[in-house]
Amino acid sequence: KNQVEQSPQSLIILEGKNCTLQCNYTVSPFSNLRWYKQDTGRGPVSLTIMTFSENTKSNGRYTATLDADTKQSSLHITASQLSDSASYICVVTPNRDDKIIFGKGTRLHILP
Amino acid sequence: DGGITQSPKYLFRKEGQNVTLSCEQNLNHDAMYWYRQDPGQGLRLIYYSQIVNDFQKGDIAEGYSVSREKKESFPLTVTSAQKNPTAFYLCASKGGSEAFFGQGTRLTVV
Repeated sequence: KNQVEQSPQSLIILEGKNCTLQCNYTVSPFSNLRWYKQDTGRGPVSLTIMTFSENTKSNGRYTATLDADTKQSSLHITASQLSDSASYICVVTPNRDDKIIFGKGTRLHILP
Repeated sequence: DGGITQSPKYLFRKEGQNVTLSCEQNLNHDAMYWYRQDPGQGLRLIYYSQIVNDFQKGDIAEGYSVSREKKESFPLTVTSAQKNPTAFYLCASKGGSEAFFGQGTRLTVV
């Protein structure tokens, strides 16, 4: 069964610190893997998108990595800001154009 | 401006009433999806449609119904059979390699 597992479930860090969120998946083969940021009560917004052949993709202070051999992805946030407080969702699209596979997300809280 | 629009943003209904949530996209996407999100929980798939006049049940379809008469529109009806309808509902569409999300509708049943 195609699955996406994220860890930790929640994370609290101080403003200015770095953090790394994990995503393990069993979806294979897949078209792409994306990380989304979802603010409370809002729709998810895309941060990064990677195909299976890409290892890393950056978007400002966000850097995503992908290891297709171990089926793991990570999202690294540098110099965290209060506005980074949100849920971060890992999403995998199988090669077949049907369901989108979502992780349950990591809730990140940035403390001042 | 291309995008996906959900309306209304907030919706209140009395218990036992059916209610329909709107989702419209002008991205020319074939695939559209409805998800439910409860506080502190991940997104759960209710229904999805890959093409006009066709749709499939997701993981939690009981108590919900959809239609896909036009490519641009994928309305979701929350029926009185849905035992716990209060939640945040997200609509998405997919074309090519990326999914786009609406801003969500928060439904509260009193």
